[in-house]
Amino acid sequence: NAGVTQTPKFQVLKTGQSMTLQCAQDMNHNSMYWYRQDPGMGLRLIYYSASEGTTDKGEVPNGYNVSRLNKREFSLRLESAAPSQTSVYFCASSGPKNIQYFGAGTRLSVL
Amino acid sequence: SQQGEEDPQALSIQEGENATMNCSYKTSINNLQWYRQNSGRGLVHLILIRSNEREKHSGRLRVTLDTSKKSSSLLITASRAADTASYFCATGPTGGFKTIFGAGTRLFVKA
Repeated sequence: NAGVTQTPKFQVLKTGQSMTLQCAQDMNHNSMYWYRQDPGMGLRLIYYSASEGTTDKGEVPNGYNVSRLNKREFSLRLESAAPSQTSVYFCASSGPKNIQYFGAGTRLSVL
Repeated sequence: SQQGEEDPQALSIQEGENATMNCSYKTSINNLQWYRQNSGRGLVHLILIRSNEREKHSGRLRVTLDTSKKSSSLLITASRAADTASYFCATGPTGGFKTIFGAGTRLFVKA
């Protein structure tokens, strides 16, 4: 039982490059989330998807786009990466009790 | 802005001692959750307490909730070196969907 799988684990980008972070869950959860975590801080919600076919902005959506491809997969895209987007990105999913299950994270550096 | 704020920001104790972390929040909630994050890993759910509950236990964990003071505490009894991690409270607002995480308490348990 893999839970929540994120790829890649590490990525280095140059300013202006684009990339997509992939996330998949195998728990049949309706809701999925993307967070970023900066040093010494908690998680800030970027986007979430309450159910397949819907997405909504979180606290810090600027510079990001998302796609809920199907019930299992929720991707996060950086169209033009900036140094301020250097962070650790976590994907999570949740079921009826809203307990969230997290992936291992993607460590992104933008130079 | 973050809903939950943990106190203290960091805590260092000896193995066998108890560790207490506090969380304050601002708006009414449906539930409050505590998560643990080991260094370099994703968050792991520990315990959920509903707004109509005052205390909950799980193994060596004890969580209290005081909705009149908008605060919660997490007690880890007989701490172990393996408890070294960051601990986050997360609140599920009444009528809302998004779970909001605090900045966390970093716990270091010395062997």
